[in-house]
Amino acid sequence: NAGVTQTPKFRILKIGQSMTLQCTQDMNHNYMYWYRQDPGMGLKLIYYSVGAGITDKGEVPNGYNVSRSTTEDFPLRLELAAPSQTSVYFCASSPSDRFPYEQYFGPGTRLTVT
Amino acid sequence: AQSVTQPDIHITVSEGASLELRCNYSYGATPYLFWYVQSPGQGLQLLLKYFSGDTLVQGIKGFEAEFKRSQSSFNLRKPSVHWSDAAEYFCAVFNDYKLSFGAGTTVTVRA
Repeated sequence: NAGVTQTPKFRILKIGQSMTLQCTQDMNHNYMYWYRQDPGMGLKLIYYSVGAGITDKGEVPNGYNVSRSTTEDFPLRLELAAPSQTSVYFCASSPSDRFPYEQYFGPGTRLTVT
Repeated sequence: AQSVTQPDIHITVSEGASLELRCNYSYGATPYLFWYVQSPGQGLQLLLKYFSGDTLVQGIKGFEAEFKRSQSSFNLRKPSVHWSDAAEYFCAVFNDYKLSFGAGTTVTVRA
């Protein structure tokens, strides 16, 4: 039982490049989330999903896209990378049958855009 | 909108001393509150949560937190810190499937 896994762990992008951050969970959780963490700012929600085929915007969705074709996977797409997207990205999941939905976090992806 | 505030950005404490981290929430009804810990280079781990019942909740690693509705607070405490408690701590409130996090408090433990 690996929990929530994220790849890659580190990535450097040039401005304008695109990439996909991968997130997979093996706990059969319906809810999944993407956060970004900037120093002194806590975690900000980018997108979330309450089940396969259902996604919604969080606090800071601009510049990102997501999809949820399976229960296990919730990739985050950056289409045109900008320096403002330099951050640490965390994926999380939670079960839908144990209110109030404790979240389990992955180890994070550190992204630098130069 | 529901939110949490962590007034202390950084706290330094001696090993063996007690620790208290403050968290204030803004919410109209009974909030569902969480404390998470993040060790350097790691993801977040749940320490404890409150959603009803006893206002003093026990968590992992010897931590506890007390919910005080009159003060809109959910402060985290540990009677005696260990060097391994050096980390960043986040308070969060549950809100419509999502968590809203505070900015975090960094704890440094000195020998």
